[in-house]
Amino acid sequence: GENVEQHPSTLSVQEGDSAVIKCTYSDSASNYFPWYKQELGKGPQLIIDIRSNVGEKKDQRIAVTLNKTAKHFSLHITETQPEDSAVYFCAASGGAGSYQLTFGKGTKLSVIP
Amino acid sequence: DADVTQTPRNRITKTGKRIMLECSQTKGHDRMYWYRQDPGLGLRLIYYSFDVKDINKGEISDGYSVSRQAQAKFSLSLESAIPNQTALYFCATSVGGANVLTFGAGSRLTVL
Repeated sequence: GENVEQHPSTLSVQEGDSAVIKCTYSDSASNYFPWYKQELGKGPQLIIDIRSNVGEKKDQRIAVTLNKTAKHFSLHITETQPEDSAVYFCAASGGAGSYQLTFGKGTKLSVIP
Repeated sequence: DADVTQTPRNRITKTGKRIMLECSQTKGHDRMYWYRQDPGLGLRLIYYSFDVKDINKGEISDGYSVSRQAQAKFSLSLESAIPNQTALYFCATSVGGANVLTFGAGSRLTVL
C-alpha cells in the first residue's frame, strides 16, 4: 500500500517568514495530493490540492509543488501570520486504482509574532 | 449548523464497555469515513462506506465495527473498549469520484 512520509514534525518560524513542509510517497501510481490544515479543537480542512498532471499550484500565500519523478511534494506558506499556526497534513491517493487517502503524520507549525 | 456533526464530542469510559460514536451529515455526500488520530501518528482510516449497502475495512479496523443507517448517518462502535483505543476520532464525508474530505469536529474518547 501507499506510504507517506512528512517532515518536519514540528516547525517554528517568525511571523512574516516562509514555511516549507515536505512529503514523500511510495506508490508511483498515486495521482492526487491534498494538504489539510487542522486548527486546535477542530477537524482537518482542505487548504490546497494538486493532481499529477500539474507541477505547481498557488492560492494566495500558499503553494504546492509536485515532483513525480522524485515522488515528493511540498507545501509553501509565504508571509506567515499567527493564524497559520496549526497542524498540517499531507496525503496521497489514486495509486493502484484506490481512492483512499493515505495521510502523513502531520507537521505542527508555530508562527511566532 | 455544522455540515458533519459528531456525537458525543467527549467521552470517558471504562475498559470492557461498549461505546458508539455517531456521525450525521447534511452535505448530501454518498461516501463516509471514520478516522482515528493519535499524536505523532497522523490520521488512520478505520472504516469507510461508499453507500448505504457498502462497508469496507480500512487500515486499522480490528476492535471496531460500523453501521451505515442511512446515507446521512454512519456510526462507529467499540464492542469492548480497551485503553489503547483512547484517541481522537473523526468522521468525514466526500462525494463519489472526488477525494475532497469534509471532516467533523472530532470525538475524543478516553478508555480507563
